[in-house]
Amino acid sequence: QLLLQESGPGLVKPSETLSLTCSISRGAMTSYHWNWIRQAPGKGLEWIGHIYYSGSTDYNPSLKSRVTMSIDISGNKFFLNLTSVTSADTAMYYCAREDGWYGADYWGQGAQVIVSS
Amino acid sequence: EIVLTQSPGTLSLSSGERATLSCRASQRVSSDYLAWIQQKPGHPPRLLIHGASNRARGVPDRFSGSGSGTDFALTISRLEPEDFAVYYCQQYGSSPYSFGQGTKLEI
Repeated sequence: QLLLQESGPGLVKPSETLSLTCSISRGAMTSYHWNWIRQAPGKGLEWIGHIYYSGSTDYNPSLKSRVTMSIDISGNKFFLNLTSVTSADTAMYYCAREDGWYGADYWGQGAQVIVSS
Repeated sequence: EIVLTQSPGTLSLSSGERATLSCRASQRVSSDYLAWIQQKPGHPPRLLIHGASNRARGVPDRFSGSGSGTDFALTISRLEPEDFAVYYCQQYGSSPYSFGQGTKLEI
């Protein structure tokens, strides 16, 4: 069973950069898209973007100017950087595997990030 | 961007009853790339249905998805206590992917 685990600082200061890692175990990264999705407290799900195993990316236009995703196939990890954060970026951040038509079939447990000084 | 509107916002039912949740898209969902996702409090989301009508691995057959184009539905034939949760639809056929605002299924 594929496992995904998010990691990173739980507290980020306003205007700084949020950096998260998603570590993959018990499976390969090739041939899939790897997604970041977030959920503000008490709110719904928001798609941040995804990265293909080849490194090509697609971001939500609402965040595109501040988002960068990267991937390390040999290390079985992918990454999220979100710059110039504000309190509106406080959320649970999930990573998820997307298997084409099969959708987002594996999710991590989530990483809580609070933006506060 | 495709906007997904779910109804109702909250659905109050009892165990054993049938639940029908709706998801309407502002534009046609490409190739029926429509998923239904369940989330329980304090837990990550879980994929239930992909491709509008296909159950994900391990999902009980009381869950079924239907619809195409712009109108989709999730039906739970006989509610079990563990089914009370929030349900989201998601389209993943056109970028940016988008989610509905969720339907809370409560006792």
